[in-house]
Amino acid sequence: EVQLLESGGGLVQPGGSLRLSCAASGFTFSSYAMSWVRQAPGKGLEWVSAISGSGASTYFADSVKGRFTISRDNSKNTLNLQMSSLRAEDTAVYYCAKDLGRLCFDYWGQGTLVTVSS
Amino acid sequence: QSALTQPPSASGSPGQSVTISCTGTSSDVGGYNYVSWYQQHPGKAPKLMIYEVTKRPSGVPDRFSGSKSGNTASLTVSGLQAEDEADYYCSSYAGCNNRVVFGGGTKLTVL
Repeated sequence: EVQLLESGGGLVQPGGSLRLSCAASGFTFSSYAMSWVRQAPGKGLEWVSAISGSGASTYFADSVKGRFTISRDNSKNTLNLQMSSLRAEDTAVYYCAKDLGRLCFDYWGQGTLVTVSS
Repeated sequence: QSALTQPPSASGSPGQSVTISCTGTSSDVGGYNYVSWYQQHPGKAPKLMIYEVTKRPSGVPDRFSGSKSGNTASLTVSGLQAEDEADYYCSSYAGCNNRVVFGGGTKLTVL
């Protein structure tokens, strides 16, 4: 059974940093690209970042480019999102998602809430 | 990248059919057969219902179907059931630096 479990969310001040992690199990982690998708309170879904199975290629939405980095540790089946220079508009539930192909997500974690506020 | 356009709401009575549209451009919906649809119940993670325009993942009822014409994709839910009441989001692969764009979401109400 595929499981994705996010952690690391919380309250952070504007301009601060936070690191999210996603522990994956139930599939061959290194064989699949992974993404982070966020959802602001009461709003729709927004793709944030993707990383290839090997970790060699990374992609970012314009809204987070230069502020967020994505990485993975295939030996530990873990996906990470390092967020810096956080803004109020980054407040959202952040989901990690397994990529079925071409950024179609067949499994999602339960999400972790990031709140950026002073 | 602008969000894909979905109607904010849709509704139907139990047993009826409802279709939700998702309009993009030739750079996303019209340019690729990589449209997906997700169902999201309140407080829950999204669930994949349709991928590659028409394909259903294992376990998704065949009451859910997808189609596409030009720059507009559609999700049809037939034989509406109470548990179908949820938010539905479309997405499309958008090429260009490997990006995906989502629709704004449609709240489906089963009357």
